[in-house]
Amino acid sequence: GQQVMQIPQYQHVQEGEDFTTYCNSSTTLSNIQWYKQRPGGHPVFLIQLVKSGEVKKQKRLTFQFGEAKKNSSLHITATQTTDVGTYFCAGSQGGSEKLVFGKGTKLTVNP
Amino acid sequence: DTAVSQTPKYLVTQMGNDKSIKCEQNLGHDTMYWYKQDSKKFLKIMFSYNNKELIINETVPNRFSPKSPDKAHLNLHINSLELGDSAVYFCASSQLRDPWGYTFGSGTRLTVV
Repeated sequence: GQQVMQIPQYQHVQEGEDFTTYCNSSTTLSNIQWYKQRPGGHPVFLIQLVKSGEVKKQKRLTFQFGEAKKNSSLHITATQTTDVGTYFCAGSQGGSEKLVFGKGTKLTVNP
Repeated sequence: DTAVSQTPKYLVTQMGNDKSIKCEQNLGHDTMYWYKQDSKKFLKIMFSYNNKELIINETVPNRFSPKSPDKAHLNLHINSLELGDSAVYFCASSQLRDPWGYTFGSGTRLTVV
């Protein structure tokens, strides 16, 4: 079945450093989504990417979708303590609304 | 104002008991889901309903039974609870329109003792 791998599992940075998490799918995806879950909270939708090679930015966050639509990355520039949480990628195939989630990258930021 | 609401937020119960978790969304979405998040934070889909019809039924013990009385509600009933059922259960909803990200409820932390 469809699998989505995400690395690293954990990332600890000093405030102001950059952070990147990577996502790889075993199959070609129709779209990939990114979510953020704060400690004790629920996943919150950040963005959706659908086009091959697509790059989207949200302030300090940059999201990329690979040319083959099988991988994606989330890059945060100059992390802040408010960026703390677990970042999940999730992909779907075809016209399905079923999302398969990666295992997440837990980001901690030292002030 | 809450978009996807789940009750209860916490549930502590003994092994062998039967319990239910309720979910309601006021977003007008057609599709609702149950996800299980284990202690390692892994989010795994359990069920999905589209307009009251079951469309996704992953490999889940048949002690778990979803019920959708209408497209705004999706409940989860669990029979004969086991220690391994302890987890956070998230309800979510979505609509196939761009972008169609999931809106998650705040979760139900189930602890079986």
